[in-house]
Amino acid sequence: RKEVEQDPGPFNVPEGATVAFNCTYSNSASQSFFWYRQDCRKEPKLLMSVYSSGNEDGRFTAQLNRASQYISLLIRDSKLSDSATYLCVVNAGGYNKLIFGAGTRLAVHP
Amino acid sequence: EPEVTQTPSHQVTQMGQEVILRCVPISNHLYFYWYRQILGQKVEFLVSFYNNEISEKSEIFDDQFSVERPDGSNFTLKIRSTKLEDSAMYFCASSNRAPNSGANVLTFGAGSRLTVL
Repeated sequence: RKEVEQDPGPFNVPEGATVAFNCTYSNSASQSFFWYRQDCRKEPKLLMSVYSSGNEDGRFTAQLNRASQYISLLIRDSKLSDSATYLCVVNAGGYNKLIFGAGTRLAVHP
Repeated sequence: EPEVTQTPSHQVTQMGQEVILRCVPISNHLYFYWYRQILGQKVEFLVSFYNNEISEKSEIFDDQFSVERPDGSNFTLKIRSTKLEDSAMYFCASSNRAPNSGANVLTFGAGSRLTVL
């Protein structure tokens, strides 16, 4: 089983759509969870941390289910500027490193 | 906003040559990382560095790779004898929080693209 697994997409959605990304992780000792965004040929940038109780930042909502080792990201009212690859990132519990999923590509069209 | 800076932005080298990639992490950060991303593939962990020593390294980070923080500001990645498969984007990252703190957000540099011919 991959350490961090994501649906590769691409997700092609119209502006204004709601889109959900899923992620599963294999290490039950993981303690930190994040969503990063990566634009083409650019560095990953933090979108949001993911907390156990779930958290929201504007149009973005992240959820964590520790029992299922599952993380989600919901984007409401998609904008053209949301087009990017969304990376699920998990710390390798007890180790000094973050593990990246392969990313889910989102394309928002007019 | 503080940023991580990397040089060079792009380096082309011949197979077998040594390459040094340089990074200046954010000044009050204590944890430093190198990641790489082969074109079209995922971001892969190479090495983490704290308190002037390697704290974790991946199986990719073999004897051909080394890291150094020579002067308290720069953080370098050296590849001793490059191979074709070392062609990738190399990202430096830094953090001011411990990895198991629950808040160890990494800030990435813009990357150094290495092309090995």
